[in-house]
Amino acid sequence: GQNIDQPTEMTATEGAIVQINCTYQTSGFNGLFWYQQHAGEAPTFLSYNVLDGLEEKGRFSSFLSRSKGYSYLLLKELQMKDSASYLCAAMDSNYQLIWGAGTKLIIKP
Amino acid sequence: IAGITQAPTSQILAAGRRMTLRCTQDMRHNAMYWYRQDLGLGLRLIHYSNTAGTTGKGEVPDGYSVSRANTDDFPLTLASAVPSQTSVYFCASSDERGRGTGELFFGEGSRLTVL
Repeated sequence: GQNIDQPTEMTATEGAIVQINCTYQTSGFNGLFWYQQHAGEAPTFLSYNVLDGLEEKGRFSSFLSRSKGYSYLLLKELQMKDSASYLCAAMDSNYQLIWGAGTKLIIKP
Repeated sequence: IAGITQAPTSQILAAGRRMTLRCTQDMRHNAMYWYRQDLGLGLRLIHYSNTAGTTGKGEVPDGYSVSRANTDDFPLTLASAVPSQTSVYFCASSDERGRGTGELFFGEGSRLTVL
């Protein structure tokens, strides 16, 4: 079956770096997405990877290894506003998104 | 520019009642989607529409119906609500379904409680 695994919850300190991992199993693969969702709000797009490697966008970077079915989201210089859930989603061969349950990131001062 | 607007934002509904969640977008996106989000689970696709006049079933379509009479509107109807349909419902749109870099734009969500 198709599956996405990511940690349920992580805690980090303001100003630090945190890496949120995601492993996926899909029928075919057309890319890996990361979304950010603050409590009570809608998800918003962060990144898209379809080729192996690291994509950097400001304080956020996303990495993909297609051979390992693995991605991570790296957040640098953490700020309190980064407290949110981070959703990993893989797109299968039918262009359907398979979503993980999300990782709740708690930032402590 | 509003993006995607959902209504109502919150609703409590008696079991057996009919309910329509409204969704309107002003981005002229071809593809639209309805998801439900439940605690501990990933977003699950209920129905989608690739373009006006067409709809398709997602992962959890039972008990729900949709229509896409025009580009902007994509209402979701619960014909006879049941408690298991208590959830947060998100409408989303993208420029084109199947385009790999096509990010989803989400509405603010509709929190539905069925008693």
